[in-house]
Amino acid sequence: SQQGEEDPQALSIQEGENATMNCSYKTSINNLQWYRQNSGRGLVHLILIRSNEREKHSGRLRVTLDTSKKSSSLLITASRAADTASYFCATASPQGGSEKLVFGKGTKLTVNP
Amino acid sequence: GAVVSQHPSWVICKSGTSVKIECRSLDFQATTMFWYRQFPKQSLMLMATSNEGSKATYEQGVEKDKFLINHASLTLSTLTVTSAHPEDSSFYICSARDQRGTYEQYFGPGTRLTVT
Repeated sequence: SQQGEEDPQALSIQEGENATMNCSYKTSINNLQWYRQNSGRGLVHLILIRSNEREKHSGRLRVTLDTSKKSSSLLITASRAADTASYFCATASPQGGSEKLVFGKGTKLTVNP
Repeated sequence: GAVVSQHPSWVICKSGTSVKIECRSLDFQATTMFWYRQFPKQSLMLMATSNEGSKATYEQGVEKDKFLINHASLTLSTLTVTSAHPEDSSFYICSARDQRGTYEQYFGPGTRLTVT
């Protein structure tokens, strides 16, 4: 069953603006990961946040995790046209073993030049 | 480092034929590999977990006799779609987990299968 649910499903912004994507999940997790996928291509791992962490940064990316609300957000600051892609959250939960990832439906981000 | 390749990148086959897709970890050893399926504009759905030297574990609803998985070495897993039908047309993506124990999975570039 689908674990993560992202919103919005689609987001269109101008270059230089920030983009925020949210992910909600249903069960307890070991960690939550964010991936990027360009159209018709494989996935690129962006960032992993463990269940005992609340915030993590990597370059222009900032991820937060609220386990009490079972939600996470991905913020991309100062967006660029090259950030145009689909973004997925994925949870690794104890029930499925720590390795099995369950992906959300994704947010399609378009950054207009 | 941590590169996963898939071959072929795309394939077109006729209904009733079988297609084999390879997933290789190029610079690390992977005791566990995963196979996902992705329909257009949808998310990835885990099909099965492939363990080196043992039988694959299939997710509910995935036919193990139709999607044969072989993980014969620490760097190679194969997915064979047997007696393919048009509804099997999809994007198949594999991932590999580095056996050194990090949580991270490294994803292949995917294989686009079209069954005519």
